[in-house]
Formats: sequence, C-alpha cells, structure tokens
Amino acid sequence: SQQGEEDPQALSIQEGENATMNCSYKTSINNLQWYRQNSGRGLVHLILIRSNEREKHSGRLRVTLDTSKKSSSLLITASRAADTASYFCATDNQAGTALIFGKGTTLSVSS
Amino acid sequence: ETGVTQTPRHLVMGMTNKKSLKCEQHLGHNAMYWYKQSAKKPLELMFVYSLEERVENNSVPSRFSPECPNSSHLFLHLHTLQPEDSALYLCASSQQTAANYGYTFGSGTRLTVV
Repeated sequence: SQQGEEDPQALSIQEGENATMNCSYKTSINNLQWYRQNSGRGLVHLILIRSNEREKHSGRLRVTLDTSKKSSSLLITASRAADTASYFCATDNQAGTALIFGKGTTLSVSS
Repeated sequence: ETGVTQTPRHLVMGMTNKKSLKCEQHLGHNAMYWYKQSAKKPLELMFVYSLEERVENNSVPSRFSPECPNSSHLFLHLHTLQPEDSALYLCASSQQTAANYGYTFGSGTRLTVV
C-alpha cells in the first residue's frame, strides 16, 4: 500500500529558480528517503533523513522532516536543466522489509 | 553504471511466451528487490530477498516467479503474461532489508506484452 504522497504532481520552473517538493506519509517511520528518476531509467538515491533529524543538506539539496505533521520537503536550489526528472519520497513498509514509494513529483526545468 | 545491472533493457513477448529478467549486483549487498513501475502509478513492490531467502511476496500473480540463486543474482521468470503486465521492471539492492539503507537501482527492463 502507498505510504508517501508527493505534492505537487508536476512542477515547471526556470533555470536558477528553487524547486520545492513535499511528501506526506501516514504512519510512523524510522527514516525517509528521496530518490530521483530520469525518464525511463532507474531511481537514484539522493538523501536519507532519520526520524530524529529535522534537516539535512547535500550539495544543492535540502531536506526537512516534520514527524509531528508526518511530512517532508525536498528543496533544490539554483535549479539546472539537468535537474529535470521525477522525484520520489520513500518510507519503510509495515513489515520493515522494504521501501514504499509515492507517485512522485515531475520537475521540469527550462533554460 | 550504478553497480546493479539489468538485462535485457527491452523485451517484447507474446502472452504465451516464457522469458526471464536478470539482475546482477556486485556491491556486496545482502538484499535484493523487484519493483514494477506502470504509467501513472506508484512503484509497486513485488518481491524481497534477504541473503537469498524470499522475505516478502507482495500478492504478486503466480505468472511472475522470482529466483535468487545467490546474493549477487536475482531473476524474474515470466510466463503467460497479460497485456496489463507491460511496465518497467526495476531491480534494486541494499545492504540489508531494513529501511535504514539507501537502495541502488538498475536501469530497468521495459517489458511489452503483445
């Protein structure tokens, strides 16, 4: 069953602008992960944030986690055309054996 | 390359055919997964293997049959598929099944059932 849900479904911005994507989930988590997928390819792991962390940075990426609201956000600063992709959040399933992914946000960055 | 290799990249098969998808990883990971990605739908977890033992079968029809002969290889055997099984099939691996580890995905096999 689906755990995380991203918002918005689609986002179009200009190069240099910031892009913010949100993820909401339903049950308690140990950690939350974000992935990127270029069209027709496999997913690439971007960042993992643990339930006791509130914010994490990796290059131009900033992830926040609010466990009280069961939500996370992914911020991409100074976006580039190469950031055009789908972005997914993922959390562990009930059995704790695998990740469950949301439907994703499709980001389009135009130059 | 990600370290997880899937073959073939593309596959077209008839509904009466039998084919197999292959996934190989040399990252020293102990867990491997099959996911199905259809248009407009979230990734669907199909199977989970930990140390070559299946730990989860997510209500997948029996026309999909997984096999994990060792911790580096994972297969998905296909037979008598339906057109709605057309999708991108993704293999992933991680150090362990616990969700404390990031997954490494292959590039996927694009399957078309005709």
